[in-house]
Amino acid sequence: QQPVQSPQAVILREGEDAVINCSSSKALYSVHWYRQKHGEAPIFLMILLKGGEQKGHDKISASFNEKKQQSSLYLTASQLSYSGTYFCGTRLILRDNYGQNFVFGPGTRLSVLP
Amino acid sequence: GAGVSQSPRYKVAKRGQDVALRCDPISGHVSLFWYQQALGQGPEFLTYFQNEAQLDKSGLPSDRFFAERPEGSVSTLKIQRTQQEDSAVYLCASSNRDIRGYTFGSGTRLTVV
Repeated sequence: QQPVQSPQAVILREGEDAVINCSSSKALYSVHWYRQKHGEAPIFLMILLKGGEQKGHDKISASFNEKKQQSSLYLTASQLSYSGTYFCGTRLILRDNYGQNFVFGPGTRLSVLP
Repeated sequence: GAGVSQSPRYKVAKRGQDVALRCDPISGHVSLFWYQQALGQGPEFLTYFQNEAQLDKSGLPSDRFFAERPEGSVSTLKIQRTQQEDSAVYLCASSNRDIRGYTFGSGTRLTVV
């Protein structure tokens, strides 16, 4: 049930763009994205609820393709503060209901260098 | 409170010892979740409460793990007869009813020696 994230790790120079992908083998009700810095709690970035929905704030945006059971996180003009591990959290559709818990992906480690 | 508070921040336990980890969620948050995070991995679901009701405990790895939230606010995760494989960071998260985003606590790092 755990979603797959790609790439596992990415190294960028400040100002470069990155895309992180999250895909599931199960039908998804929603997708969350979180960023976690070493030794700290994961921080909520955004939630995507509908197929085809796109959201964003600042220079971080995401899309959710319900039919493909995939979500992508887009980081543009990356800043040093974007460094950390990004997790997608997926809430599954189970029969006529949806899972009460989230299943997190294994994470993508992003390093932004000056 | 302003955020999710977890205590202790660090806990070292001898193998076989019982431990209790505390989570104080954001005031008014109905939903509370416990996750276990091993080094370099994503958080893994343990259990979920809605108010005082434990609605899902399917992620608890064994009957040595027990969680409660008797008054629908503070929650305690108890691990009996700790084993080395229990070493991990235990994260607590709370959310409002429609679960549109979790707020995580800073976690408790448990080391079993």
